[in-house]
Amino acid sequence: DAKTTQPPSMDCAEGRAANLPCNHSTISGNEYVYWYRQIHSQGPQYIIHGLKNNETNEMASLIITEDRKSSTLILPHATLRDTAVYYCIVRAVSGSARQLTFGSGTQLTVLP
Amino acid sequence: GAGVSQSPRYKVAKRGQDVALRCDPISGHVSLFWYQQALGQGPEFLTYFQNEAQLDKSGLPSDRFFAERPEGSVSTLKIQRTQQEDSAVYLCAVASARGSYEQYFGPGTRLTVT
Repeated sequence: DAKTTQPPSMDCAEGRAANLPCNHSTISGNEYVYWYRQIHSQGPQYIIHGLKNNETNEMASLIITEDRKSSTLILPHATLRDTAVYYCIVRAVSGSARQLTFGSGTQLTVLP
Repeated sequence: GAGVSQSPRYKVAKRGQDVALRCDPISGHVSLFWYQQALGQGPEFLTYFQNEAQLDKSGLPSDRFFAERPEGSVSTLKIQRTQQEDSAVYLCAVASARGSYEQYFGPGTRLTVT
């Protein structure tokens, strides 16, 4: 799986959009971009994934650049409960299940 | 998430003691993963089951670590002769089908070896 690079920490004001960047310059054609988050003392939670098109769900939006070498996770209206470590993961999905390779992630702190 | 429970939530073991950590998912999850998360780091893969078959154990750090899922549902991770470096959170995750996009994680077991 391709390596990802994320800033170690970010702050965001409550109610504002949180934009979390991820660099994955070595991504290959069959690899998806996944985002998970981990709130303190909980297991990681799936947020969203995409291949090349932008994606949106009830939690967040995922913007992937045209060359697929980077992406941004957007939380449109951050709340205090969004404070967590956010992991960007690149993973190929084949016929058999594969493990997730987590990096160090970005600690997002939403400030009141 | 998605009905994955782990027990115990916290375990303190003396160095050299054996421990058993349990993962209890709701039925229907073909794939089961164990991860180890050291303090301040992201989770790291340990082993993977598809039903009762252990298909990948490449992440187990030593032969003191052993995992089983005999009936394709509940899984147990056993650590023999625990060492201080085994102190970590052990996470169990499940996925509903092969190649599933989403993994559902339990809350983890925090193991402290003294």
